[in-house]
Amino acid sequence: ETGVTQTPRHLVMGMTNKKSLKCEQHLGHNAMYWYKQSAKKPLELMFVYNFKEQTENNSVPSRFSPECPNSSHLFLHLHTLQPEDSALYLCASSQDWGGQETQYFGPGTRLLVL
Amino acid sequence: ILNVEQSPQSLHVQEGDSTNFTCSFPSSNFYALHWYRWETAKSPEALFVMTLNGDEKKKGRISATLNTKEGYSYLYIKGSQPEDSATYLCAPQGGGTSYGKLTFGQGTILTVHP
Repeated sequence: ETGVTQTPRHLVMGMTNKKSLKCEQHLGHNAMYWYKQSAKKPLELMFVYNFKEQTENNSVPSRFSPECPNSSHLFLHLHTLQPEDSALYLCASSQDWGGQETQYFGPGTRLLVL
Repeated sequence: ILNVEQSPQSLHVQEGDSTNFTCSFPSSNFYALHWYRWETAKSPEALFVMTLNGDEKKKGRISATLNTKEGYSYLYIKGSQPEDSATYLCAPQGGGTSYGKLTFGQGTILTVHP
């Protein structure tokens, strides 16, 4: 257990659906991250939040909308996704943003868009 | 965006064999290098954070070295066990505008056969 949980673990949605991914960390960290891993591609950073403020958006399409209500919770709201958005979405947290901080990962949500 | 290469892409060894794999990254603007181990259906687990040229770190049977001048890191596993089977990811962290961001390689998939 890394102290980072994600729900749901699996999600199937249609292109017109709206769904949300949830991440919670129990480590008292200040920074949280969303990563995406598409088939046969490396993990790719999507968003970074530090002290609830978004500090990085890695050119992510607006159909992905992150929300960080507090330092322990991070959401990824999904709407009008495309089949090519099917991927594994991982959440991570670290003590702070920047520096040589270890990031602790959740187990991921496997998303399938039909 | 950092160009990160890991080799080999996959590796099959027998229990008891020692093995090693490589992570190559741009040597300019280096800040830190992270190694992760990722077992199927689990969360990526941090192994090492390396920062100084010539660094060598060890965790049980796993060790890693770092050469920042030529831009590579080696990960060694001594006496491989079936439970070492996983994908091993490296993620260099650059300075400047890349500050704080980890750029992951595609990983080396290790399978240890009993």
